[in-house]
Amino acid sequence: GAGVSQSPSNKVTEKGKDVELRCDPISGHTALYWYRQSLGQGLEFLIYFQGNSAPDKSGLPSDRFSAERTGGSVSTLTIQRTQQEDSAVYLCASSLVGRAGTQYFGPGTRLLVL
Amino acid sequence: KNEVEQSPQNLTAQEGEFITINCSYSVGISALHWLQQHPGGGIVSLFMLSSGKKKHGRLIATINIQEKHSSLHITASHPRDSAVYICAVWGETSGSRLTFGEGTQLTVNP
Repeated sequence: GAGVSQSPSNKVTEKGKDVELRCDPISGHTALYWYRQSLGQGLEFLIYFQGNSAPDKSGLPSDRFSAERTGGSVSTLTIQRTQQEDSAVYLCASSLVGRAGTQYFGPGTRLLVL
Repeated sequence: KNEVEQSPQNLTAQEGEFITINCSYSVGISALHWLQQHPGGGIVSLFMLSSGKKKHGRLIATINIQEKHSSLHITASHPRDSAVYICAVWGETSGSRLTFGEGTQLTVNP
């Protein structure tokens, strides 16, 4: 079956512009995660959605970052007024049963802020 | 000091060698993940474990909760095993966030 998909695969933007990154999780997966991987750095948790519960936003680095998950499926990560330090690969993962479940990762969106 | 430390950072091996990658953590955990990141960037979950040992093909993962330590072993290594291997933990008090190690870059030469 289809895995987790993300779009766009690459995004180049100018400093100060807003960007939207999209994640389509595996159908039926209730949990969805966003992570960030900066160049040469480890993975960093951003936000977690589980079913209809309030999302865990504790990893978002600033109020310029926000995310939504509509209808328990597709998620959008929005970065407002992008900065150069936002340049990274943004990864989405989904799992069937939240914390207890194996996470399936998307291919990521590579964001470059000039 | 990071909550999750991996060693070595880089590892080069010859095809066929037995490989061990180590992960130490400093917090109480609910579970530990081993992930594999391919050269193209794709990430695959290899194991999730909270005790004992798991085996899948040539891969074996062990965890010692008392010592706060896990190891990932690869038997009969192959060039296709070349990747970054990442350890990540669910902290007991970290809610839904995984804390990741910096990763171990493994290169297996033919």
